[in-house]
Amino acid sequence: QVQLVQSGGEVKRPGASVRVSCKTSGYTFINYGITWVRQAPGQGLEWMGWISSYSGKTNFAQQFQDRVTLTIDASTKIAYMELRSLRSDDTAVYFCARLAYIVVEAAATSAFDIWGQGTRVTVSS
Amino acid sequence: DIQMTQSPSSLSGSAGDRVTITCRASQNIDRYLNWYQKKPGEAPKFLIYAASKLQSGVSSRFSGSGSGTEFTLTISSLQPEDFATYYCQQSYSSLTFGGGTKVEIK
Repeated sequence: QVQLVQSGGEVKRPGASVRVSCKTSGYTFINYGITWVRQAPGQGLEWMGWISSYSGKTNFAQQFQDRVTLTIDASTKIAYMELRSLRSDDTAVYFCARLAYIVVEAAATSAFDIWGQGTRVTVSS
Repeated sequence: DIQMTQSPSSLSGSAGDRVTITCRASQNIDRYLNWYQKKPGEAPKFLIYAASKLQSGVSSRFSGSGSGTEFTLTISSLQPEDFATYYCQQSYSSLTFGGGTKVEIK
């Protein structure tokens, strides 16, 4: 079955970087993108960016453009998200999800159809 | 950027109630609207795409409607497992979530 399994929780100091991995299985990797979403404590879902597993092309939410790097390793079918210059308000659960392209009445839409279990990142001095 | 606004931010209901959540887009997004369910400690679950198409395996008590700037998610008869927070998301231009609607037990 399709699975996305994320790396374990992290505790980081302010100013440090964190890298979260997302290991995929059960589907043809290059046919779907990978997207990243986070949820801070008591807050809603916040989309961060996505990466094409086929081309490596990326797209980011404006607030993350300067601090996030998304990469993929097609040989191992693992996606990575690196967040730099961590602040206390980056404390959150980070999710990866499969980005599916769905054709509806000759138009293509996208949605996050399968999700990883989440990785808690705590930023504290 | 397209902003998504959900209302209400929270609601309370009893098992068997019909509930409706509204999502408004700051500009026309046609039918590029998805809905997700989020429970504490769990990953989000994909419910509806293209405003009204039910994802495979999702209960038929969930339905979606709307186009342009106004959309609704309806749960026809609340079940205990439906108490959660629901998020709309536009995929017309980039990707944006609404602020969420928490459905609580009355």
